[in-house]
Amino acid sequence: KQEVTQIPAALSVPEGENLVLNCSFTDSAIYNLQWFRQDPGKGLTSLLLIQSSQREQTSGRLNASLDKSSGRSTLYIAASQPGDSATYLCAVNGRNTGFQKLVFGTGTRLLVSP
Amino acid sequence: GAVVSQHPSRVICKSGTSVKIECRSLDFQATTMFWYRQFPKQSLMLMATSNEGSKATYEQGVEKDKFLINHASLTLSTLTVTSAHPEDSSFYICSARESSYNEQFFGPGTRLTVL
Repeated sequence: KQEVTQIPAALSVPEGENLVLNCSFTDSAIYNLQWFRQDPGKGLTSLLLIQSSQREQTSGRLNASLDKSSGRSTLYIAASQPGDSATYLCAVNGRNTGFQKLVFGTGTRLLVSP
Repeated sequence: GAVVSQHPSRVICKSGTSVKIECRSLDFQATTMFWYRQFPKQSLMLMATSNEGSKATYEQGVEKDKFLINHASLTLSTLTVTSAHPEDSSFYICSARESSYNEQFFGPGTRLTVL
């Protein structure tokens, strides 16, 4: 059974810092890994999707990497801003859980203070 | 980008009543829609997957008779929580996927509170 874990569970940093969020998964037979952002009481916003054949994806200040063989992904946020404060979730779909089914991690709650 | 809406955004009901939540894909045809439940400070748990025109596939532990899912068109899926009880209070989120896309696009969620 696929299990997705994210560390740290919570992170508090001052504005301007670069930071790294971690995601690990137990079954490396994945198709895609996706990073989402969730604001309190809101739905999910997709940030980056990495296909299993890719090593990383970049969008603006965000960079996500994927090491499928070791079951890890990192989300790097450069020059953090208070507006980045949110919960960040990673999710995977894979051969053993089905292409369509996303298994979500436990999330990292990020607080960026001015 | 693809937009998914949910209605209502928030609902409060009495125990024993039924509540219907709508999920719509606004600018694409969703061949598959998904319903998730999220308890406070927890991650999303998939409840069921529905393909247009066919019966939904429920995850283990999710009661089919309690959570009725209908995906009658390529742009609309509904989740009906029948005879709701306080333990059904949660944040329900839908997502939709068009057959040619890798991604699921998520709705804004519906907060259900059962008194």
